[in-house]
Amino acid sequence: GQQLNQSPQSMFIQEGEDVSMNCTSSSIFNTWLWYKQDPGEGPVLLIALYKAGELTSNGRLTAQFGITRKDSFLNISASIPSDVGIYFCARTRGAGSYQLTFGKGTKLSVIP
Amino acid sequence: DAGVIQSPRHEVTEMGQEVTLRCKPISGHDYLFWYRQTMMRGLELLIYFNNNVPIDDSGMPEDRFSAKMPNASFSTLKIQPSEPRDSAVYFCASTRDRDVGELFFGEGSRLTVL
Repeated sequence: GQQLNQSPQSMFIQEGEDVSMNCTSSSIFNTWLWYKQDPGEGPVLLIALYKAGELTSNGRLTAQFGITRKDSFLNISASIPSDVGIYFCARTRGAGSYQLTFGKGTKLSVIP
Repeated sequence: DAGVIQSPRHEVTEMGQEVTLRCKPISGHDYLFWYRQTMMRGLELLIYFNNNVPIDDSGMPEDRFSAKMPNASFSTLKIQPSEPRDSAVYFCASTRDRDVGELFFGEGSRLTVL
């Protein structure tokens, strides 16, 4: 119940295309987070969502906290080569908790 | 400002040897986390500290693993003796009290145990 299921596991897209990935769980959460890991680096926070239904944008990235509080999606518009990397969803283990549990990630490859 | 600093970046060792990984968190951050990343299991939380005190070490695989934080600017993760299945990338991350959810990760230490 506490696992996060990310899909797809990997994707190959053409530069300029839009991308969509999602994360689901059987449990209800109060926070959804999206991180990106560049090759050879540590993950970096992209977007944080704190309320059910919340839709947040960060440049070409848009993420939504599902109404049921059991899912979230991340969209990337007009992909560019530097979007390559692994995208992780994550959630805190409880209200006010600083411990994060991560999904297995979606590996994105962008073909120029 | 400097980010989280980890050393070494790469370590290759033989089974049975002791391995020590080091981390300097961002100044002013009072939470420090050690994560392990493998293809099979993804990112797993091993242990975390608050104000240098270990809060939850339930993710530490077994007694061969130990972590310390002697002061606010330094932490170590030790594996003794190391085994091939310990091969992974080990990340240190830090955050401060008001930034729930935003962890700042180091570049990781890639460990290979032969």
